[in-house]
Amino acid sequence: DQQVKQNSPSLSVQEGRISILNCDYTNSMFDYFLWYKKYPAEGPTFLISISSIKDKNEDGRFTVFLNKSAKHLSLHIVPSQPGDSAVYFCAASVLYGGATNKLIFGTGTLLAVQP
Amino acid sequence: GAVVSQHPSWVICKSGTSVKIECRSLDFQATTMFWYRQFPKQSLMLMATSNEGSKATYEQGVEKDKFLINHASLTLSTLTVTSAHPEDSSFYICSAIHRGDYGYTFGSGTRLTVV
Repeated sequence: DQQVKQNSPSLSVQEGRISILNCDYTNSMFDYFLWYKKYPAEGPTFLISISSIKDKNEDGRFTVFLNKSAKHLSLHIVPSQPGDSAVYFCAASVLYGGATNKLIFGTGTLLAVQP
Repeated sequence: GAVVSQHPSWVICKSGTSVKIECRSLDFQATTMFWYRQFPKQSLMLMATSNEGSKATYEQGVEKDKFLINHASLTLSTLTVTSAHPEDSSFYICSAIHRGDYGYTFGSGTRLTVV
């Protein structure tokens, strides 16, 4: 049962344009959402997060939008740069043991930014 | 910032032997660490939650006798793959929660190849 889904396995964007990566989830108990960037054979690198009490969070070129009613979040990267080319994972946290949250990852989207 | 060191970065072992992977939080204390596994072109699958001073909590379908987790101190968790077989070949990643900023920091991962 895939609780966090990224339906687009890949996305190709021209340099300077906007990249929009989408993520859907099924568990309404998720209270915190994160986006990670990952290169092959490396650990994920944190990009940006959003709490379930917000609907938007912005950090430089990265903006995450959360639509709780639709159980959907998206990551916008603008302007896109060739160095942004990587696999992007969304992740959601579930309250666990009352004090610790574990992360559930989506399936990933490979972003290719063309020069 | 919070740093998690994972060692080794890659290992090749013979079928039937055991392999230990270390995960250290270098500049913060981590009462909880997580172990993930990633197959090629797939998502990061949570294997278990490692709690300092207590038994690890394993996700459904993960064999606790095969994947031994020890979290003996606030800065070190180890994953031992016992009696490894070729199907255990995968990319293993640990992460720790940095309570100061509610951030999840990931190690750089370990590529295990069982021959």
